[in-house]
Formats: sequence, structure tokens, C-alpha cells
Amino acid sequence: DAKTTQPTSMDCAEGRAANLPCNHSTISGNEYVYWYRQIHSQGPQYIIHGLKNNETNEMASLIITEDRKSSTLILPHATLRDTAVYYCIVRAPSGSARQLTFGSGTQLTVLP
Amino acid sequence: IAGITQAPTSQILAAGRRMTLRCTQDMRHNAMYWYRQDLGLGLRLIHYSNTAGTTGKGEVPDGYSVSRANTDDFPLTLASAVPSQTSVYFCASSEGLLGTDTQYFGPGTRLTVL
Repeated sequence: DAKTTQPTSMDCAEGRAANLPCNHSTISGNEYVYWYRQIHSQGPQYIIHGLKNNETNEMASLIITEDRKSSTLILPHATLRDTAVYYCIVRAPSGSARQLTFGSGTQLTVLP
Repeated sequence: IAGITQAPTSQILAAGRRMTLRCTQDMRHNAMYWYRQDLGLGLRLIHYSNTAGTTGKGEVPDGYSVSRANTDDFPLTLASAVPSQTSVYFCASSEGLLGTDTQYFGPGTRLTVL
């Protein structure tokens, strides 16, 4: 799996968009970008994933640059409940079960 | 749809006792996983199962055993608990085989071994 680099921490005002960057300059052509988050004392939660195109779901949007070397997770209207550690993970699809490796992630704090 | 449920939510256990952590998913996923999460060490894979009837060892399997008698259930057993097994345990599942790689996690079991 390609290495990812994320800022250690970010703050965002409640109601504003939170933009979380991730660098993955060594990404391979078949590797997807996944985003998960972990709210304190809860299990990790899947947010979104994509390969090349921008993706949007009910939780967030994922913007992947054309060269695929970086991406941004966007929470359009952050709430206090979005305070969590956000993890960007790059990995190729696998036909068998294998470990999901979380890096250090970004601690997002949504401020009232 | 409940997704993944785990039981118990938390447990305090005396060293040397046997303990089974339960995990059930209702998404008909083929693959299931057990992770432990310790402060500063992130999530580490204990055991996994690609499909019902098969299991495999992860990064830290010693002291743990699993079984996968059916698609929905994936219990984790500590035969003789030791204090170093104090941790938060997460069960996860994914479609597996040729499906998406996305893993979905349960709420966790906080285990303390004294």
C-alpha cells in the first residue's frame, strides 16, 4: 500500500466546510484512496473511497487530483460530532482479507 | 440494519480465565476480522476469515483463537487471559472475495485483564 502523509491536526468552525488533505505521491494505478474516521472511544467508520474521479456521498466529498498524487476530503458543513481522527488510506483491491493499516491521521477539532 | 454488533461492551476479567468476545454481522459479508487497538500502537490485526469455514492469522495472533462456523458470526476466544491482552477489540467485516475492500467496524469491546 502506498504511503500517505496527513497533517497532524486541524481546526474547523462549526457549520463551515472542513477540508482535510492527504498526499500519496507514490500511489499506483490500481490503488484506491479510502477515508475512515474514528470518533473517540468508537470503532473506525468508513467515509468514502475513490480511484480517479471525484466522489460524493451523504457524509462527504472526495476530490482526487488529476495526477492522483493527493486528495482532499471535504465535510461540507462540519458539526461538533465530526470531531474525530481522520485517516487517509491507499490500497489496491484484494480478493482476500488483509489488514487495514491506519497511519497517524489528522485530528479534526470542530469548534463551536 | 444493525451492521456489526459486538458483545460485551466491556469486561473486567481475572488473569487465567477464559473469555469469548462475540461478533455478529447482518450484511452477508464474506470476510471478517478481529483487531485490537492499544494506545500508541494503532489497530493491529489478530485473526481474519475470508469466508465461512476458513480462518487466518494476522499480525498478533498469539493467545487468541477464532472460529467461523457460519457467515454471520466470528467469535474471538482468549483461552487463558493475561494482563497484556487488556485492550479495545474491534470486529470488522468486508464483502471480501471479489467485492469491495471497504471494512466496516463494530463498536468495540473494552477488555481489562487483571
